Amino acid sequence: AQKITQTQPGMFVQEKEAVTLDCTYDTSDPSYGLFWYKQPSSGEMIFLIYQGSYDQQNATEGRYSLNFQKARKSANLVISASQLGDSAMYFCAMVLNTGFQKLVFGTGTRLLVSP
Amino acid sequence: DVKVTQSSRYLVKRTGEKVFLECVQDMDHENMFWYRQDPGLGLRLIYFSYDVKMKEKGDIPEGYSVSREKKERFSLILESASTNQTSMYLCASSLTGVNQPQHFGDGTRLSIL
Repeated sequence: AQKITQTQPGMFVQEKEAVTLDCTYDTSDPSYGLFWYKQPSSGEMIFLIYQGSYDQQNATEGRYSLNFQKARKSANLVISASQLGDSAMYFCAMVLNTGFQKLVFGTGTRLLVSP
Repeated sequence: DVKVTQSSRYLVKRTGEKVFLECVQDMDHENMFWYRQDPGLGLRLIYFSYDVKMKEKGDIPEGYSVSREKKERFSLILESASTNQTSMYLCASSLTGVNQPQHFGDGTRLSIL
């Protein structure tokens, strides 16, 4: 069965610094996708970035990048130049390429950005 | 722009009531999902649907049912609400494909008294 583990319940970072949020996953399937979502206090889930298991390069989207280490089964999110608006819950999630879009989520990391 | 709309942000119901949570998407997505979110547990999949009138159980379907009569609308039904169903409920939709992100509504915070 698939599983996502986020071991950091909370992280603190100062504005303008970079921060890494950890995510490890477990699956025996060779084909899968990994997602990161942001959930501000208002509640909506916002899609940030995607990495496919066969992608050769690490995904990047603006200030977000994904440090994908397949052998270690890790998919850490790196946020560069943190902003106050980055304070939120961050969830890592995985989908298998089985035809259904079932996402399995981790328990999340709360990021607090201080001035 | 992508839009998933949930009918209520906040809802208070009584134990034993039949509760309907509605979700509408305007993106012509095949797939729709219902999750519940509880502190420390992340999001857990209740039910999903990959086509009109089709439904599949997720990880925690007990006490819930769903209905998808039209492609754009996916309803979650609590047949007889209980206090342990107090939670945040999130609806999502997506296209089919492992690289397709799910797009979420704003959530419904449901309290069962």
